[in-house]
Amino acid sequence: DQQVKQNSPSLSVQEGRISILNCDYTNSMFDYFLWYKKYPAEGPTFLISISSIKDKNEDGRFTVFLNKSAKHLSLHIVPSQPGDSAVYFCAASARGGSEKLVFGKGMKLTVNP
Amino acid sequence: GAVVSQHPSWVICKSGTSVKIECRSLDFQATTMFWYRQFPKQSLMLMATSNEGSKATYEQGVEKDKFLINHASLTLSTLTVTSAHPEDSSFYICSAHGDSYNEQFFGPGTRLTVL
Repeated sequence: DQQVKQNSPSLSVQEGRISILNCDYTNSMFDYFLWYKKYPAEGPTFLISISSIKDKNEDGRFTVFLNKSAKHLSLHIVPSQPGDSAVYFCAASARGGSEKLVFGKGMKLTVNP
Repeated sequence: GAVVSQHPSWVICKSGTSVKIECRSLDFQATTMFWYRQFPKQSLMLMATSNEGSKATYEQGVEKDKFLINHASLTLSTLTVTSAHPEDSSFYICSAHGDSYNEQFFGPGTRLTVL
């Protein structure tokens, strides 16, 4: 049973446009959500997180939206840059980020110049 | 953000040998470290959680006698793959969590190839 789902395996956007990456979860105990960016043969790099007490968190070009009733979160990247091309993982944990993370399968984002 | 290192970055070994992978938090004290495994084009799968000074907690289906985890200090955890076999070939990644942060920070990963 996959508790964190990233249903689209890939996304391709033009440079300068918005990239929207979606993530759904099933476990209502999750209260902390994170997005990681990963290049091949490297460890994930933390991008942005959101606690369940918020519905939006913004950091520069990255904004994460959380819809608790729908058990859905999304990552918006505006404007998208070619350097953003990577695999993005959505992750969730219960009781904050100190607990084990459950990862989605990842989505490959390609930003075309 | 905080920095986590792993050593070695890649290793090739013969079947039946043991391999040790180190995970270090370089600029913070990691009260909890996690070990993940990633197969090609798959997600990261948690193998075990280790807290400094106590025994690791293994996820269901992970053999604790095969994947030995030691978290002897607040900056170092080791994963030893014992009697490695080709099916153990994978990308192993650690992460660390400290009281100063909400997030886990990941190491760069170790590519293990068992011949």
